[in-house]
Amino acid sequence: GQNIDQPTEMTATEGAIVQINCTYQTSGFNGLFWYQQHAGEAPTFLSYNVLDGLEEKGRFSSFLSRSKGYSYLLLKELQMKDSASYLCAVTDSNYQLIWGAGTKLIIKP
Amino acid sequence: GAVVSQHPSWVICKSGTSVKIECRSLDFQATTMFWYRQFPKQSLMLMATSNEGSKATYEQGVEKDKFLINHASLTLSTLTVTSAHPEDSSFYICSARAVTGGHNEQFFGPGTRLTVL
Repeated sequence: GQNIDQPTEMTATEGAIVQINCTYQTSGFNGLFWYQQHAGEAPTFLSYNVLDGLEEKGRFSSFLSRSKGYSYLLLKELQMKDSASYLCAVTDSNYQLIWGAGTKLIIKP
Repeated sequence: GAVVSQHPSWVICKSGTSVKIECRSLDFQATTMFWYRQFPKQSLMLMATSNEGSKATYEQGVEKDKFLINHASLTLSTLTVTSAHPEDSSFYICSARAVTGGHNEQFFGPGTRLTVL
């Protein structure tokens, strides 16, 4: 079956760096997305990776290794507003999005 | 960028009534829209995939007669929760698929919080 794994919850300190990992097993691969979702709100797009390597966008970076079925989202200079759930999602061979359960990130002062 | 609106943003209704939720792509045409449901502290659960001009494809365990989906135009899809019950209370989110930067991306509406009394 199709499966995406990411940690349920992580805690980090304001100003620090945190890495959220995501591993996937899907029928085909057409790209991996990271979304941010604040409580009570809809997800918002953070990043997209389809080729191996690191994509940097400001304080956020996303890495992909297709051979390992692995991605991570790196958040630098953490701010309190970064407290949210981070969802990993993979597009399979049918271009359907397969969602991870999300990682709740708690930022402490 | 691509914007998706959803209406209403929240609704409270009595058990047994029906509720319609609209999802609109404001600045692009979406041949495919998705309806999700999210219970508190849980991840998104795909309910159905809506293709313009054809019947929606429902995920396993989702009752198509209870959750009526209509995708009559390239910019509008509606979800009607028929004979709503308290267990249908949830956060309903729609998304629309568009091709941006050469890849398929889903743009989400702001969600509709449904409370059934």
